[in-house]
Amino acid sequence: QEHLQQWGAGLLKPSETLSLMCAFYGGSFTGHSWTWIRQPPGKGLEWIGEFDHTATTNYSPSLKSRVSISLDTSKNHLSLRLNSVTAADTAVYYCARVSRSDGYSRFDLWGQGTLVSVSS
Amino acid sequence: SSELIQDPLVTVALGQTVTITCQGDSHRSYYASWYQQRPGQAPLLVIFGKNSRPSGIPDRFSGSNSGGTASLTITGAQPEDEADYYCSSRSSRGNHYVFGPGTTVTVL
Repeated sequence: QEHLQQWGAGLLKPSETLSLMCAFYGGSFTGHSWTWIRQPPGKGLEWIGEFDHTATTNYSPSLKSRVSISLDTSKNHLSLRLNSVTAADTAVYYCARVSRSDGYSRFDLWGQGTLVSVSS
Repeated sequence: SSELIQDPLVTVALGQTVTITCQGDSHRSYYASWYQQRPGQAPLLVIFGKNSRPSGIPDRFSGSNSGGTASLTITGAQPEDEADYYCSSRSSRGNHYVFGPGTTVTVL
């Protein structure tokens, strides 16, 4: 059965770099687009960026200067890096698959979420 | 401010019908997708495209789009439908995605 498994450091200090990984089981990363989404405690969802099936990255305008998403196909890992974190980056981070099989984009498979807290 | 606008809270009686709306210019170009999120869980896709449901989503969930407004309707609401619902679409302002602020649905 397809599923996404996430991992990464859950506690950071201000100015450090957030680094999360996401593995896809039951299928292959190739041919799909992949995205990261976050949710601050008690708040709504925020789209961070995507690594699409053409190996192009697109990022949220508000995070573009600090974020990097990459895909290591040899390890079957999607990664997220966010530089210079502050308390405002405290959130549950999700990886998700972007499907466009019939022309309609949607996030149809989600990881379990990873809580990342930024505190001095 | 958010590109997509949702009512923050909606209440529905058990077994009745409720419609959640999502307003935004992006819906004039792109169909919305809708996500259900129960407390402590990851979001779950419930509706996408014109009105498509992923496998396993009950048919009491339906979607529609008119002009700049996307809608999610729950026909015959059940206790397990109590959750936060988020709309999402491609942005009309660039090559990225956006989410609405979410609607909390309470089933009485």
